Amino acid sequence: GEDVEQSLFLSVREGDSSVINCTYTDSSSTYLYWYKQEPGAGLQLLTYIFSNMDMKQDQRLTVLLNKKDKHLSLRIADTQTGDSAIYFCAERTDSWGKLQFGAGTQVVVTP
Amino acid sequence: DSGVTQTPKHLITATGQRVTLRCSPRSGDLSVYWYQQSLDQGLQFLIQYYNGEERAKGNILERFSAQQFPDLHSELNLSSLELGDSALYFCASAESSYNEQFFGPGTRLTVL
Repeated sequence: GEDVEQSLFLSVREGDSSVINCTYTDSSSTYLYWYKQEPGAGLQLLTYIFSNMDMKQDQRLTVLLNKKDKHLSLRIADTQTGDSAIYFCAERTDSWGKLQFGAGTQVVVTP
Repeated sequence: DSGVTQTPKHLITATGQRVTLRCSPRSGDLSVYWYQQSLDQGLQFLIQYYNGEERAKGNILERFSAQQFPDLHSELNLSSLELGDSALYFCASAESSYNEQFFGPGTRLTVL
């Protein structure tokens, strides 16, 4: 079956880069997404990558996709305290857009 | 602010009861998705509607049902509630099934 895996926790110092990793299993996934959830809030779409791309950069965010290993990563440059949140990786698994989410990685940014 | 609205924000009810959660999609979005977020199951897809018609079903219990109305707002009905139904329920909308989904702030349901 489909499964998306993420490490559960990441601690990073303010100003450093954060790298959040994700592995997925459905090789037919067309789009892969990163969402951010702050305490008590909904999910905010950060960025996404189409499966025929290797990399996408959007300001401080860089997404890398290794299709061979089914590995996705999100790099946040110059991490700030406002980046503290839970980050979810998700894959689109069918033509109707159903998203399969990972368990989320809690990122804690320390001064 | 994603443009997706959900009401109510919080709902506290008792076992056996029935509740209705409401979602208004972003202007122009035809597709509505419902997800459940719980501590033990994580984020699970429940059901999707496109322009009033059900298109996909996920791990949705038979006690749960949904619909999308002509004005494109959607309602998720949860009946015969159990303690385990306590969760955050999110609605997301997209222009079509091929576009990215934008999530509402969620409804936190507590079943006592």
